[in-house]
Amino acid sequence: EVQLVQSGAEVKKPGESLKISCKGSGYSFTSYWIGWVRQMPGKGLEWMGIIYPGDSDTRYSPSFQGQVTISADKSISTAYLQWSSLKASDTAMYYCARLFPQGSFGVWGQGTLVTVSS
Amino acid sequence: DIQMTQSPSSLSASVGDRVTITCQASQDISNYLNWYQQKPGKAPKLLIYDASNLETGVPSRFSGSGSGTDFTFTISSLQPEDIATYYCQQYDNIFLTFGGGTKVEIK
Repeated sequence: EVQLVQSGAEVKKPGESLKISCKGSGYSFTSYWIGWVRQMPGKGLEWMGIIYPGDSDTRYSPSFQGQVTISADKSISTAYLQWSSLKASDTAMYYCARLFPQGSFGVWGQGTLVTVSS
Repeated sequence: DIQMTQSPSSLSASVGDRVTITCQASQDISNYLNWYQQKPGKAPKLLIYDASNLETGVPSRFSGSGSGTDFTFTISSLQPEDIATYYCQQYDNIFLTFGGGTKVEIK
């Protein structure tokens, strides 16, 4: 079974750093792009960026460029989303998802809730 | 980057009604348009890909159409389990954008 399993919920203070993860299984991890999607409380879906684990080619939405870093470790089939200095406005649910070749997210992780509060 | 305008933002309909949601792209995206369903507290689920193709296992009451800049998503006969928020999403050479979402409720 194809699965993406994300790391658990996090509670952080403003200014702290954070790295959340997304582990793929049941398929060739290096052969599919993995994207990250933000959903702020009560709001819609926002595409943040995407990485191809095979060669670590990474693209960012203009809205998130410079705000987060996306990476992957293909040796353990895991993609990451990280912040160097969190803000309260980073409070949201974050989903990873696998991109089908035709451009749809067909497999999703369960989501990681990040809460940033002093 | 390509903007997606989805409407309406919410709607209320009766069980058995036909429900239609539209999505307009700011430029031609051919048929690179997908539709998702998100129920409260759950991850989104792909329903329609490439504008009109039904994902495996998705009920046939869901359908999509359109190409270029104008797209339509239809539920032919609304069921209670269809209560959710629906999103369109475009794909332009690895850059993606979601529409603002449509919350569907039962009248």
